[in-house]
Amino acid sequence: DAKTTQPNSMESNEEEPVHLPCNHSTISGTDYIHWYRQLPSQGPEYVIHGLTSNVNNRMASLAIAEDRKSSTLILHRATLRDAAVYYCILNSGGYQKVTFGTGTKLQVIP
Amino acid sequence: DTGVSQNPRHKITKRGQNVTFRCDPISEHNRLYWYRQTLGQGPEFLTYFQNEAQLEKSRLLSDRFSAERPKGSFSTLEIQRTEQGDSAMYLCASSPVPTYNEQFFGPGTRLTVL
Repeated sequence: DAKTTQPNSMESNEEEPVHLPCNHSTISGTDYIHWYRQLPSQGPEYVIHGLTSNVNNRMASLAIAEDRKSSTLILHRATLRDAAVYYCILNSGGYQKVTFGTGTKLQVIP
Repeated sequence: DTGVSQNPRHKITKRGQNVTFRCDPISEHNRLYWYRQTLGQGPEFLTYFQNEAQLEKSRLLSDRFSAERPKGSFSTLEIQRTEQGDSAMYLCASSPVPTYNEQFFGPGTRLTVL
């Protein structure tokens, strides 16, 4: 499976935008980029996914570099409930075997 | 939509005992996954079912681990002769066809082996 690289931790002020980066320089042409987040004491929760174009949903936006070697998850206004570990994942199998890394722990400061 | 449920939520056992966990996926989800997560790490893939067929097992799944999904609905994960290194959170997820859609995770079962 292709690997992803994320910063171990980030901080954001409440109600400020947050840009969470992810590098995936060995991504293949058929890999989708998925983001999940895991709140304390809960299972991971799907956030967003994309292939080539930028994507928006009610939770976040995903900006994908033109060469697809990196992507950025954008939370438009961080809230305290967004404090979690965010995982950037490449979906390399048709059955969606997902390989998680260690993710980015986001702290939101009131 | 009741989501993915897992039972029990917590299990404490003594080394050498057998334990069994249950996962009830979202109804009509064909695919079911098991993951293991240790403190400070992301979830690690253990195994995957499509309906009742177990299609892939990670090398993490030693001979002491067995998973079943007998009728293509709920699944069980059994660990025989537990070891302290088995202490972890065991997560179950399900997803519908087609591919590349999101996986829905349950709350997990936290296993502590004394």
